[in-house]
Amino acid sequence: KNQVEQSPQSLIILEGKNCTLQCNYTVSPFSNLRWYKQDTGRGPVSLTIMTFSENTKSNGRYTATLDADTKQSSLHITASQLSDSASYICVVSDRGSTLGRLYFGRGTQLTVWP
Amino acid sequence: EADIYQTPRYLVIGTGKKITLECSQTMGHDKMYWYQQDPGMELHLIHYSYGVNSTEKGDLSSESTVSRIRTEHFPLTLESARPSHTSQYLCASSTQGANQPQHFGDGTRLSIL
Repeated sequence: KNQVEQSPQSLIILEGKNCTLQCNYTVSPFSNLRWYKQDTGRGPVSLTIMTFSENTKSNGRYTATLDADTKQSSLHITASQLSDSASYICVVSDRGSTLGRLYFGRGTQLTVWP
Repeated sequence: EADIYQTPRYLVIGTGKKITLECSQTMGHDKMYWYQQDPGMELHLIHYSYGVNSTEKGDLSSESTVSRIRTEHFPLTLESARPSHTSQYLCASSTQGANQPQHFGDGTRLSIL
């Protein structure tokens, strides 16, 4: 069964600190992995996409990594800000259909305290 | 910011009522989607469309229906709302291509009494 598992479920850090969120998947065949940020009461917004050949990609203070062999991805947030408080969702797409079916994780709820 | 809009943002309504959730996008995207999201749970695809006059059911069984008469508009209808329909409904759109992101609206929070 294709699945996407995220850890931790929730995380509280102090402003200015770094943190790393994990995503493990069993989706096969694999097309890409995307990290979304979802603020409370808003829709998800794409942060970054990782394809099979990519190991690391940065978007400002966000750095995503992908290990396609172990089927693991991480999202590292540097120098956290209060505005980083949100749910971070890992989404994996397969190559098995024209739709490019998406498999969603349940998200990691990040809270940044001042 | 993506130009995709959902109305209403919040709706509290009694059992048995007919409900239509609106979703419009101004980006000219061919693909549109409806998801259901409960707190702490993953998004579940309930309907999608490849283009005008194309609609398909998603992975999660839903008693709702959708229509795609115009490219920019993808409304979702519940003929007779029940408490089990209480959830957040997210609409999204994307262009063609395997690696294109889905752009999400801010959702409709639906509560059926």
